Amino acid sequence: AQTVTQSQPEMSVQEAETVTLSCTYDTSENNYYLFWYKQPPSRQMILVIRQEAYKQQNATENRFSVNFQKAAKSFSLKISDSQLGDTAMYFCAFMTGTASKLTFGTGTRLQVTL
Amino acid sequence: GAVVSQHPSRVICKSGTSVKIECRSLDFQATTMFWYRQFPKKSLMLMATSNEGSKATYEQGVEKDKFLINHASLTLSTLTVTSAHPEDSSFYICSAKRQGVGGYTFGSGTRLTVV
Repeated sequence: AQTVTQSQPEMSVQEAETVTLSCTYDTSENNYYLFWYKQPPSRQMILVIRQEAYKQQNATENRFSVNFQKAAKSFSLKISDSQLGDTAMYFCAFMTGTASKLTFGTGTRLQVTL
Repeated sequence: GAVVSQHPSRVICKSGTSVKIECRSLDFQATTMFWYRQFPKKSLMLMATSNEGSKATYEQGVEKDKFLINHASLTLSTLTVTSAHPEDSSFYICSAKRQGVGGYTFGSGTRLTVV
């Protein structure tokens, strides 16, 4: 079974600063996909970024980037120039190439402060 | 594009009654939809995978007779909580799978309160 671990229940960052959220996973699969989802207070799940395991290049989306370390089974999210609107729960998620379902981590609550 | 509509957003029901939650893909066809349950300040727990035209696949520990899932069309899946009890109170979220990797769109969720 696949597991996703987020070891930081809560984090805080000042506006305009950079923060990194950690995620590790465990799988015996070789073909899989990793995601970071954001859940703001509205509770709407929003895709932040995704990474295909077969790609060595780290994914980036504007202020969001990942550090994908396949051998270490690590998938951290870096948020640059943090904004107040980044305040939310962040979930790391995993999906194998064969199954369709997402497995979520326990989440990290990020608070961006002035 | 790729919008999933989930209704109702909030519902309060009495113990022993049943409540139906709808999940619709508005601008795409979804052969597969997923139902999650989320407790306060917790992660999303997958309850079941809903497949159009066939029986849903339930995760271990989820009562099939308590949480009835119907996926009768390519754009609609429903979750019915039968004989609801206060412990069923939770936030329920659906998602629909679009073509391509990462093609998951989530509904806005339903907060169920059983009194």
